[in-house]
Amino acid sequence: AQTVTQSQPEMSVQEAETVTLSCTYDTSESDYYLFWYKQPPSRQMILVIRQEAYKQQNATENRFSVNFQKAAKSFSLKISDSQLGDAAMYFCAYRRGGNNDMRFGAGTRLTVKP
Amino acid sequence: GAGVSQSPRYKVAKRGQDVALRCDPISGHVSLFWYQQALGQGPEFLTYFQNEAQLDKSGLPSDRFFAERPEGSVSTLKIQRTQQEDSAVYLCASVFIGGTPDTQYFGPGTRLTVL
Repeated sequence: AQTVTQSQPEMSVQEAETVTLSCTYDTSESDYYLFWYKQPPSRQMILVIRQEAYKQQNATENRFSVNFQKAAKSFSLKISDSQLGDAAMYFCAYRRGGNNDMRFGAGTRLTVKP
Repeated sequence: GAGVSQSPRYKVAKRGQDVALRCDPISGHVSLFWYQQALGQGPEFLTYFQNEAQLDKSGLPSDRFFAERPEGSVSTLKIQRTQQEDSAVYLCASVFIGGTPDTQYFGPGTRLTVL
């Protein structure tokens, strides 16, 4: 079975600073995808960034980037120049190749201090 | 529509009542997933459709849970004889096969409270 672990239940960051959210996963598959989703208090899950396991280059989306360490099965999210609107629950998720269900971590609540 | 929609947004049921939760996926999205999100937890997979075919229902917690998607678009998750442990947010997600692969687009969820 695949499991996703987020070891930081809560994190806080000062506005304009950088924060890193941790995620580790366990799998025996070689073809898989990793995701970070953001869930604001309104509950709508929004895709932040995705990473294909076969790609060595770390994914980047504007202020969001990942540090994908395949051998260590680690997939951390870095948010640069944090903004008040970044405050939310962040979920790390794993999905096998193909159209399969996603496995989520327990989430990290990010607070952004003005 | 522009995104996945779900209704109702909130549902309060007395223990033992049946409930039906609706999901309208993004037009053209072939695959549809249901997840259950308990308070303070990440979503957990319930079931998956490709068009009208239910390909995986391994996550349904009991035979009181039933899902359907008869015409391959709108889906309904039905919970019979609700119990307090069914209280959770139920999320629906859809996927377009052929576009950005493996990206699930989520609806806002239905918060079910069983009294």
